[in-house]
Order: sequence, then structure tokens, then C-alpha cells
Amino acid sequence: DAGVIQSPRHEVTEMGQEVTLRCKPISGHDYLFWYRQTMMRGLELLIYFNNNVPIDDSGMPEDRFSAKMPNASFSTLKIQPSEPRDSAVYFCASSFRGLNQPQHFGDGTRLSIL
Amino acid sequence: EDKVVQSPLSLVVHEGDTVTLNCSYEVTNFRSLLWYKQEKKAPTFLFMLTSSGIEKKSGRLSSILDKKELSSILNITATQTGDSAIYLCAVEGEWAGGTSYGKLTFGQGTILTVHP
Repeated sequence: DAGVIQSPRHEVTEMGQEVTLRCKPISGHDYLFWYRQTMMRGLELLIYFNNNVPIDDSGMPEDRFSAKMPNASFSTLKIQPSEPRDSAVYFCASSFRGLNQPQHFGDGTRLSIL
Repeated sequence: EDKVVQSPLSLVVHEGDTVTLNCSYEVTNFRSLLWYKQEKKAPTFLFMLTSSGIEKKSGRLSSILDKKELSSILNITATQTGDSAIYLCAVEGEWAGGTSYGKLTFGQGTILTVHP
């Protein structure tokens, strides 16, 4: 089975540019999560979706961040405009809520804002 | 606010040693505790412990949940260099919005290095 697929794997861009991160969850999973990982703060939840609907975005740091899930097989996390402090590894995870199933993570996008 | 603390933050051992990693938590309405292993890429799932399953074992790895002490341990016996990784503990608690899915709060991780 294919796991969670994220793209791009690495992104280097200049401050002020728009950044779009992409995620394809595991087929059949009804929950999708976006996380950010930094050395200082560890792994933090940004937002999660259930059946394509955003449920809680309280972890989104500010209005420059937005996320969408137009269908069950695709989600995006967008940062506009980007700032150097947004540099981090961004992970997408998905899960199926039945029977205490765990979240499965993608390989992440390493984002560097210069 | 939910909180997860792992110790030690880093650990260096030699192949064949046994290690114990610790995780303590404070969470509203505990649902489950999870252990993940993170090498260079994605965290990969190891164990989930709930009230109905407080001990899990897979090969050289085992984990125990102590709900009274609000803690868990992850044991690795006969360590190998391939065990070198960051081990993450996460706790699922009740989401503030009252949804059916609990929010995962992660600890800062334990960096394990196994030397040949």
C-alpha cells in the first residue's frame, strides 16, 4: 500500500514568496493532519480535517497560513507571504478513525525560507 | 494545556545494551498513548497503548503504560545500530471542540544513538 505522499521533498525560497505544500493521504483514511517540526518546538499540530472538512485550525500560527482539502485524496498547506521563521519540516499525516487506528506520516517537506 | 515530557533527551549506548525511554504526561481525558520512531524522514508508528491494552511487545521492543503514574516506558533490548533514531511519545486527549477524535500532543523526543 502507498503511504502518505508529500511534495515537494525540499523547498528553498526567498522571504515574501508564496509556498504551497501538497499531501496525498492514504486511500480510505478519513482524517488528515498537518504538523510542523522544529528543533525548538518539536512536532506541533497545525490543522486537521475530517472527511475533507477543517475541524480545528487553532494550531495555525497566523493568517499567513491556510490549508485546504478539496477532495479525499488531496490537501494543500499554503504560506503567503513566507518568512524565515517558517523554516521547518512540515509533515502530513492521515488516519482512519475506526478501532483506534494510529496516524501515519508522510516523509515531510523540508522548507527553508531565506 | 496537555503536556508530554520525555526523558532522557538523548542517550548513547553500545550494541547489545538495553535501554529504557520514559514518557510522562498531563492530559485532559486520556484516550491513548503512542510511540513513534523517527529516523531521517517520517515518524513511523510503533505502539498504541490504551486503557484496555497497557502493555505491548514487538520483537526487541516493548512498552508499558502506567495510568496511575501518568507515564509510559519504552524498552529496547539487545540494541542494534539500526535502533538509532528519535523516539517520540504522543498522548491523545480530548479535543477542545468535543469532536470524536482526540488531539495528539507530542513530547520533544529522545535521541538514541547506538554505537557498534
